[in-house]
Amino acid sequence: NAGVMQNPRHLVRRRGQEARLRCSPMKGHSHVYWYRQLPEEGLKFMVYLQKENIIDESGMPKERFSAEFPKEGPSILRIQQVVRGDSAAYFCASSQVTSGRAGYNEQFFGPGTRLTVL
Amino acid sequence: LAKTTQPISMDSYEGQEVNITCSHNNIATNDYITWYQQFPSQGPRFIIQGYKTKVTNEVASLFIPADRKSSTLSLPRVSLSDTAVYYCLVGENSGGYQKVTFGTGTKLQVIP
Repeated sequence: NAGVMQNPRHLVRRRGQEARLRCSPMKGHSHVYWYRQLPEEGLKFMVYLQKENIIDESGMPKERFSAEFPKEGPSILRIQQVVRGDSAAYFCASSQVTSGRAGYNEQFFGPGTRLTVL
Repeated sequence: LAKTTQPISMDSYEGQEVNITCSHNNIATNDYITWYQQFPSQGPRFIIQGYKTKVTNEVASLFIPADRKSSTLSLPRVSLSDTAVYYCLVGENSGGYQKVTFGTGTKLQVIP
């Protein structure tokens, strides 16, 4: 059972270009989360999605950032017109449908995509 | 979400037991305590989760006092491969998911 897959692992963009980050959740997982990690900092929640639905995007910047999790295919985090401040590691995590056991909702993380904006 | 406070860094020799304490004074009744481990250039990995008293698995133990305002992650007999950043998270599993924010974590350095 493959873990969470993210690609590309490293992405270099020039200011003003678009960045598209892809995440394939673990088999059987229908919940996807995106986090951003700046150097020497912890991960910050960006968005939580289920298939074809954005459930919580309270951590996502209002402009230039968007996320989707289509019925078929990976989840995509898109950053339009990238700026130097977007340089960070972007992690995707997935989890199963909640088991009903309160509190248990282990998130499995991918290896991350390291975005560098020149 | 309850704010957490943990030491920025710790050093330990191989073979020793390591205890990392996390303070969460404003923890809510429905909040669970979760610890993750992150190696350089990798995503975090779930270690252990608990609500109260003591939880133990094959990797670690988690001690939570009655007032739940703190918790201690205990790693028995650490090895060099345990060098990593350890995050303490507190959050409610509401609406079918747990929206968490990772603090800066505790950077554990295991010394040979």
